Amino acid sequence: TQLLEQSPQFLSIQEGENLTVYCNSSSVFSSLQWYRQEPGEGPVLLVTVVTGGEVKKLKRLTFQFGDARKDSSLHITAAQTGDTGLYLCAGALRTTSGTYKYIFGTGTRLKVLA
Amino acid sequence: DAGVTQSPTHLIKTRGQQVTLRCSPKSGHDTVSWYQQALGQGPQFIFQYYEEEERQRGNFPDRFSGHQFPNYSSELNVNALLLGDSALYLCASSLGTGFSYNEQFFGPGTRLTVL
Repeated sequence: TQLLEQSPQFLSIQEGENLTVYCNSSSVFSSLQWYRQEPGEGPVLLVTVVTGGEVKKLKRLTFQFGDARKDSSLHITAAQTGDTGLYLCAGALRTTSGTYKYIFGTGTRLKVLA
Repeated sequence: DAGVTQSPTHLIKTRGQQVTLRCSPKSGHDTVSWYQQALGQGPQFIFQYYEEEERQRGNFPDRFSGHQFPNYSSELNVNALLLGDSALYLCASSLGTGFSYNEQFFGPGTRLTVL
């Protein structure tokens, strides 16, 4: 069962445009991570958000964690061709053994055209 | 500081065979999680190892098994391979317990093709 829904699934935009990717769930997460993945490679961690309402910026990328820690968004300003890739959100759930289990979203495939 | 490493990079097997994939976690990490990622989809959680024990398991059959060694490295074994097992297998490491939040780092993956 997929606990995290990402939207949109696919996005093709022109260089210079802005975009927002959403990650929604009915579960409350201890933290939420955003990754970018290139074809044939492992996901690369972009950011971790922990506190409800938290906003983090990474150059042209802005990440927000929902107040209830159930959802998150990623906003890219003035997209560049180098932003092309698969964007994944992953929510951390604390387990009974004290470790964390990560549930991944369905992914958003972004293509930025020159 | 070495990140997460995985071996081999690519692997081709035939149906019914068995395969072993290996992972070394990021320095200082003690927890290893394995994921299966089909083409175009998000990673699906297989299981997690901490203190040499399987702590959590996703919705995968018993053909998928694993092991964690005292140095925290880990192996993923898949028996009786099926065509549907073809995927990118990802290993991720993190710090196990005692933190209010956690961060997980991934290796480059092993691409398994079952013919």
